[in-house]
Parts: sequence; C-alpha cells; structure tokens
Amino acid sequence: ETGVTQTPRHLVMGMTNKKSLKCEQHLGHNAMYWYKQSAKKPLELMFVYSLEERVENNSVPSRFSPECPNSSHLFLHLHTLQPEDSALYLCASSQSGAGGYTFGSGTRLTVV
Amino acid sequence: AQSVTQLDSQVPVFEEAPVELRCNYSSSVSVYLFWYVQYPNQGLQLLLKYLSGSTLVESINGFEAEFNKSQTSFHLRKPSVHISDTAEYFCRGNGGGATNKLIFGTGTLLAVQP
Repeated sequence: ETGVTQTPRHLVMGMTNKKSLKCEQHLGHNAMYWYKQSAKKPLELMFVYSLEERVENNSVPSRFSPECPNSSHLFLHLHTLQPEDSALYLCASSQSGAGGYTFGSGTRLTVV
Repeated sequence: AQSVTQLDSQVPVFEEAPVELRCNYSSSVSVYLFWYVQYPNQGLQLLLKYLSGSTLVESINGFEAEFNKSQTSFHLRKPSVHISDTAEYFCRGNGGGATNKLIFGTGTLLAVQP
C-alpha cells in the first residue's frame, strides 16, 4: 500500500448506471487529484483539489463529477458513461509546494 | 507546448541484458524529472527523480537515470534486468503554474524474457 487507497479496484458498469469511485489518503497531504489512464496515451489530469477546493478542471465531461468532502477523501461520481470512458482511473495526493506525489493503485473501469 | 516524449512504446529484452528506456522533454517543461513504474493492475510508484545536483540519479533496485540538459533527455537504464522488472515505465516532468501540473510520457512497456 502506498498510503493512497482506491476502491473499488475493478468496476463494470452499464451506460445508464450511476457509480462512485473512492480515494482515501492518510499521508497528511492537502491536495488530491484524479487522473485518467487510457492505453497508449499520457495520463490525463481530470480534477485537482487543493485544501478541499477545486482548483483545476481540465474540461472533463459533466458525466464525471468530483467531490472532496475533506482533505483525506476524494470521490468521482459517474453517470451515463460512454464506452470510451473505460480506463484506469488513478487518484493521487500531494503536499502543495512540496512536489512529491503519491498514487493509488487505481480503479479499472469498464463501461459496457 | 509542454511535452514529455517516450519514443519506445515497448522494449523487449532478455533477462540479464542491459536496457535503456528513452525519455525526452520539451524545453518548456521544468527540469524536475521523474520515472515511475507501474506493475500490472497497480498504480504508479516513484522509481527515481532528478531535482537538482548530480545529473546521475539511482534507485534502490538497480535503475539509474541521467539528466542531460543539452539533449533534453532523462533516459532510464539498468545494466542487467530481471523478469520481475517487467512493467510499464513512465517518464514525467512538471509543467509549472499554480497547480504544478504533471506532464507524463505515454509509457514504455519493458518486457523481460527468460
């Protein structure tokens, strides 16, 4: 375990389903991130939360909705996804300004 | 444009052979450079990093990388690979700005064969 825990590890959902991905860190970091990892593409930054406020949203479709209730937890709510949204979703955390990032093991999402 | 380029999508190599995974970065990427390893079904793990000082950095499992400013490169090397080194390797830089955006390469799959 890296200190950043993601659940579930695998998720298969239909296009009409609603599900949520969860990320939890107990490293004392004050920034959390969602990344999308698709095959043969660079990691794509989706959302950044710093001190529980969203500070960056890289034009992600509204079918992805993040939530950061506190500095230790981050959610990604999913609804009416498309097959092209199938990917590995990685959560990361960092201490702002310190530069070190810790990644979770990811959630492998398959949209059918 | 900010970019980190990994030219090789896959590098097959025999066990105990040397290997080099290539990484080049654009001049607009800050010279804080990192290599991550991702084993199957796992997240990214930091392998090594260059922030300043000696241009040759080493990891605890025998990998090393050399920062070359003139060639804008940060290639990863290991003199003798093991089967257990089979994984995907990602090079990463920092894009700067308020959120210190991470810039990743597309990854290189190191496939070690017996």
